[in-house]
Amino acid sequence: SSELTQDPAVSVALGQTVRITCQGDSLRIYYASWYQQKPGQAPVVVIYGKNNRPSGIPERFSGSSSGNTASLTITGAQADDEADYYCSSRDSSGHQYVFGTGTKVTVL
Amino acid sequence: EVQLVQSGAEVKKPGESLRISCKGTGYAFTSDSIAWVRQMPGKGLEWMGIIYPGDSSTKYSPSFEGQVTISADKSITTAYLQWTSLKASDTGIYYCARGQYLVRRTSWFDPWGQGTLVTVSS
Repeated sequence: SSELTQDPAVSVALGQTVRITCQGDSLRIYYASWYQQKPGQAPVVVIYGKNNRPSGIPERFSGSSSGNTASLTITGAQADDEADYYCSSRDSSGHQYVFGTGTKVTVL
Repeated sequence: EVQLVQSGAEVKKPGESLRISCKGTGYAFTSDSIAWVRQMPGKGLEWMGIIYPGDSSTKYSPSFEGQVTISADKSITTAYLQWTSLKASDTGIYYCARGQYLVRRTSWFDPWGQGTLVTVSS
């Protein structure tokens, strides 16, 4: 399968921890990358590889992977983290890419 | 600073042709790939295809194969996404993004262009 499945929406209280998951067969072979997209803006990578944060991404963002599931964790969520989050990886063939279905994170 | 700058918004009629562009600056354009991603109104991200400007090789998502053409002119560090006959269902925002790799298991897209809004309406 070349699909990546995410929960449509999650909510988290300000300052609490939220985990967003991404499931797909290709994740047994390839690491996921994670993208944050705020309304009217282009996506921004927040995590890639085993658990790599690009320069400028807060330490509260972390990634992990087990079997066919990749996870993005926000520890101590802030109001500014309210956004849509997408995972992505190569597909099982390795020649193409696929995006997850997206998760809308609401910070209460 | 590494940047991808896309061409401006377009309004077209069904059946018309269109080419939008994505200019890369601040890095070795031929060393990395450029991907194109569609976002239809209110929907998620869809990977369309990728080009490796070093040799102009391309890969397309099955959903977009034959519907669009991806190309690049490395002399001006610019990638293109082209349609020969637009449909109303092509309406959306199109992003380009630089593909980066550590090892085969690890790849990601960064940075992204600002997006090009394409509106197809009669």
